[in-house]
This record gives sequence, C-alpha cells and structure tokens, in this order.
Amino acid sequence: GAVVSQHPSWVICKSGTSVKIECRSLDFQATTMFWYRQFPKQSLMLMATSNEGSKATYEQGVEKDKFLINHASLTLSTLTVTSAHPEDSSFYICSADNRGRYYEQFFGPGTRLTVL
Amino acid sequence: AQSVTQLDSQVPVFEEAPVELRCNYSSSVSVYLFWYVQYPNQGLQLLLKYLSGSTLVKGINGFEAEFNKSQTSFHLRKPSVHISDTAEYFCAVSYHTGGFKTIFGAGTRLFVKA
Repeated sequence: GAVVSQHPSWVICKSGTSVKIECRSLDFQATTMFWYRQFPKQSLMLMATSNEGSKATYEQGVEKDKFLINHASLTLSTLTVTSAHPEDSSFYICSADNRGRYYEQFFGPGTRLTVL
Repeated sequence: AQSVTQLDSQVPVFEEAPVELRCNYSSSVSVYLFWYVQYPNQGLQLLLKYLSGSTLVKGINGFEAEFNKSQTSFHLRKPSVHISDTAEYFCAVSYHTGGFKTIFGAGTRLFVKA
C-alpha cells in the first residue's frame, strides 16, 4: 500500500516549451502533496506544498509563475514547468501524506527533466 | 529555524563491516526524525522514523537509529552491511509550524566494498 507514482519518469524538451509532471497517490487519498527538486549529487529542496482544492504554498525563492502546481483531487497533483530553460533541468520528486498523517510521507520515483 | 547536518558526505566500508551514518539536527520546535535511502535515479524509500516513545528505532533492511535528544542526534547504524546497501542516505526532520514541512540533510553516500 501507499504507492505514489509519477509520470513521466523522464522527459526531454526544448528550451521555451512547457512540461507537465503528474503525481498520483494510487491506493490512498493524499490531503497534501509536496514537490521537491534535486540537483545531481545534492539533497532534496522543497519547492512547494499543495493541498487539494487550494492554492499551493511556495517556498522562498521558487517562482510561482514558472512552476505551476495544481492539486485537482485527493489523488492527483501536477507540476508544470513553464517556458523551461536548461537551468530547470533537474530531478523532480513528489511526495504525499496519508490522509493528513503528515509524519508519513510517501515518495514518488521522481521525474528526470532535461531541457535542451 | 530548523536544520539538518549529515556529518559525512561519503562513507566507504567493507562488506560485512558495521557502519554508522551520522545526523545532527537543530530545531526550535518538536520534530519527527527520519532516515531515507535513495538508489540511483529513484525516489526515496523510508528506512525508519522516530515519532515518540523508545529512542531506539528499528527499520527495514537491518538498519536502526537512536534518537538522542540531549545531543540532538539521530545516527543510523547497521551491524553488517551488504554490497546492496550502497546508496545515498538522507536524514530528515519534519515539523509543523502553520504547515507541515520536511527538510533534508545533504546526504551521505554509503559505498560498500567487496
């Protein structure tokens, strides 16, 4: 149980295009989903927190207009990287809590984004 | 403010030897403590967590960790490592201040040699 999926697992796009990454909780309902970014050989940095039906809360320094987050249901959150540039290339990981049990986060497998 | 420090960026160890990965944290509020493992190009897998109660926590794959409040530490240990334990290990703290957040340490690369 408590499986989180991400789609796609990897994506390559041209500079200036937008990319959407999906995060789904497959067998549970997630009150809150989190989006992280991980650069090579570095730790995870929290980008934003999204709650179903409300606007995402972004961490300081994260551009809201560039990284659009939508939490449409209790099982789906999406991250759209708008007008992507090479510096946006990274490993994006989502996680979800289990019905508000915020001390239990379940992580997705990650999405590798490469912007050419 | 909260912070997590993993004192070793890399830990090489021979197979079947014991290992300890060190983690210290700083926080002005109560925290929950976690250790995660990450294999290349994968997400994070929970090894163990400390929420409350016994300070010695046992996790998966033979790992355990001890919460030491006075030293604000949560070191991860395994008495005998395997080649398959080679991975990146992250210590993390979660806390609630108007919203739930998790911050991660920089990670420790455990490299098990034959």
